[in-house]
Amino acid sequence: SQQGEEDPQALSIQEGENATMNCSYKTSINNLQWYRQNSGRGLVHLILIRSNEREKHSGRLRVTLDTSKKSSSLLITASRAADTASYFCATGGRNTGNQFYFGTGTSLTVIP
Amino acid sequence: EPEVTQTPSHQVTQMGQEVILRCVPISNHLYFYWYRQILGQKVEFLVSFYNNEISEKSEIFDDQFSVERPDGSNFTLKIRSTKLEDSAMYFCASSESMAGITDTQYFGPGTRLTVL
Repeated sequence: SQQGEEDPQALSIQEGENATMNCSYKTSINNLQWYRQNSGRGLVHLILIRSNEREKHSGRLRVTLDTSKKSSSLLITASRAADTASYFCATGGRNTGNQFYFGTGTSLTVIP
Repeated sequence: EPEVTQTPSHQVTQMGQEVILRCVPISNHLYFYWYRQILGQKVEFLVSFYNNEISEKSEIFDDQFSVERPDGSNFTLKIRSTKLEDSAMYFCASSESMAGITDTQYFGPGTRLTVL
């Protein structure tokens, strides 16, 4: 299976702290994307990192990709209560065309 | 900002009934997808659609499921005879190009299907 797996499964931090979530996957990928899902709602695309990129920034988000370790991390700096959500990584593989494989997600709680 | 829309937001049906879930992808996108998420579980790929035909499908997407682009804007998922285990949130997504290779998929807000 190519599915990404995030860890930790749950993370609780104080507002203002940084949150780091990790994702591991099993096979070669073309790109990796991070999504956010608020409880019972749809998936919001956060950031895409391609297999030839090592780091990418978007506002308070920083994503790294280590293809040798088949892992990625998502860092949210200066967290806010509104960042409370589940965060998923999704991998698009070299041999899977349009299929995305989602991980189980990290549930982030930011305490005001 | 353009967005993917889905209707209805919640569908309740009796087991054995047919349901059609509707999606309007972003207008200039060419690739369309359906995913489902059973409560508390992973988001699972069902099917991708390009150029008026299915390009890929998962094991979940059996003969009970079908997809269609009946006109230039809508993309539908039909479940012919619903089962209890079909209860889930169904997400539609679209991308400008092949998402697994280079492009981002944009998701709709989902339709919650409840089969009684």
